[in-house]
Amino acid sequence: ETGVTQTPRHLVMGMTNKKSLKCEQHLGHNAMYWYKQSAKKPLELMFVYNFKEQTENNSVPSRFSPECPNSSHLFLHLHTLQPEDSALYLCASSQIQGLGSTGELFFGEGSRLTVL
Amino acid sequence: QKEVEQDPGPLSVPEGAIVSLNCTYSNSAFQYFMWYRQYSRKGPELLMYTYSSGNKEDGRFTAQVDKSSKYISLFIRDSQPSDSATYLCAMSGGYQKVTFGIGTKLQVIP
Repeated sequence: ETGVTQTPRHLVMGMTNKKSLKCEQHLGHNAMYWYKQSAKKPLELMFVYNFKEQTENNSVPSRFSPECPNSSHLFLHLHTLQPEDSALYLCASSQIQGLGSTGELFFGEGSRLTVL
Repeated sequence: QKEVEQDPGPLSVPEGAIVSLNCTYSNSAFQYFMWYRQYSRKGPELLMYTYSSGNKEDGRFTAQVDKSSKYISLFIRDSQPSDSATYLCAMSGGYQKVTFGIGTKLQVIP
């Protein structure tokens, strides 16, 4: 495996279901991110983890719950979602040095989520 | 006013044409400027990366940054059907928050 891998690629869930998205990076990076991509909107940053510690929660509703057990793995736990949460969820990783980052992100292929 | 403005297109050009993609921004703190390419049903991939003002060339691709005008461009020479994708501009101030444009959808017609 190389790069950033995400599973599942597609997910359909009801509003009362609980599911999880998984991300694994094989690049040796120390930061991981969840982004949301909706039609006709720019990429929205959801969560940032540096060295497996959450450093940013971009006002994301509590029905999205991230987990980062180590620097290589990232999860997004989903529960009681709304239809407007249907989107492409992208995981990314990067290498940060101190407080600095050049912004170079390496993305996975995304998990396409449909909430019925 | 959005921090980053990008025309969503779609932009259709014939094969072999020179393509010009652009973004404007309002935050003067941005120092790092990127272009990502996203094929349908795929994640974005970093295409070009530039620090501060100036030009950068990589094969058929040239990225330009004009910080005085807060304007960045991506030029694609001799465009190919395989260049058909959505191109996202992105920029950051040196921290982890990266601000993206909405993306321009490009179609190169054979």
